[in-house]
Amino acid sequence: KQEVTQIPAALSVPEGENLVLNCSFTDSAIYNLQWFRQDPGKGLTSLLLIQSSQREQTSGRLNASLDKSSGRSTLYIAASQPGDSATYLCAVGPGYSTLTFGKGTMLLVSP
Amino acid sequence: DTGVSQNPRHKITKRGQNVTFRCDPISEHNRLYWYRQTLGQGPEFLTYFQNEAQLEKSRLLSDRFSAERPKGSFSTLEIQRTEQGDSAMYLCASSSDRNTEAFFGQGTRLTVV
Repeated sequence: KQEVTQIPAALSVPEGENLVLNCSFTDSAIYNLQWFRQDPGKGLTSLLLIQSSQREQTSGRLNASLDKSSGRSTLYIAASQPGDSATYLCAVGPGYSTLTFGKGTMLLVSP
Repeated sequence: DTGVSQNPRHKITKRGQNVTFRCDPISEHNRLYWYRQTLGQGPEFLTYFQNEAQLEKSRLLSDRFSAERPKGSFSTLEIQRTEQGDSAMYLCASSSDRNTEAFFGQGTRLTVV
């Protein structure tokens, strides 16, 4: 059974810092990995999708990497802003099927 | 089409009542997923449709839960004889054949009192 772990569970940083969120998964037989953002009481917003054949994806200040063999992914956020405050979720999937999620990292960026 | 739409956004019901939620996926997406999320946890998979066919069901989906996607467009999730443990956020997602990226709706928050 696939298990996804996200570290840290919570993170508080001052505005402007660069930060890294970690995600690990137990079964490396994945097709894709997706990072999401969730604001309190809201749904999930897709940030980045990495196919298993890729090693990283970038979108604006966000960069996600994937090391499938070691079962790890990182989400790098550059020059953090208060608007980045949210819970960040990592999910892995075998393809056109279900996603297995971690519990998320709750990020607070203070002005 | 602005994304995945879920209705209602909030539902409060008494224990024992039946509730039904609706999900309208992104129009060109043929794959539709239901997840459940409780406080402090990541979403957990409930069921998955490809067009109108229900291809996967989680063991979390007890006999009181049923999902349909009759014409391969919108989907409904019904919970019969609700229990307090059913209180959660119910999330719907969709994806297309061309891309496995899943897009989620805003969810339906269910509170059973």
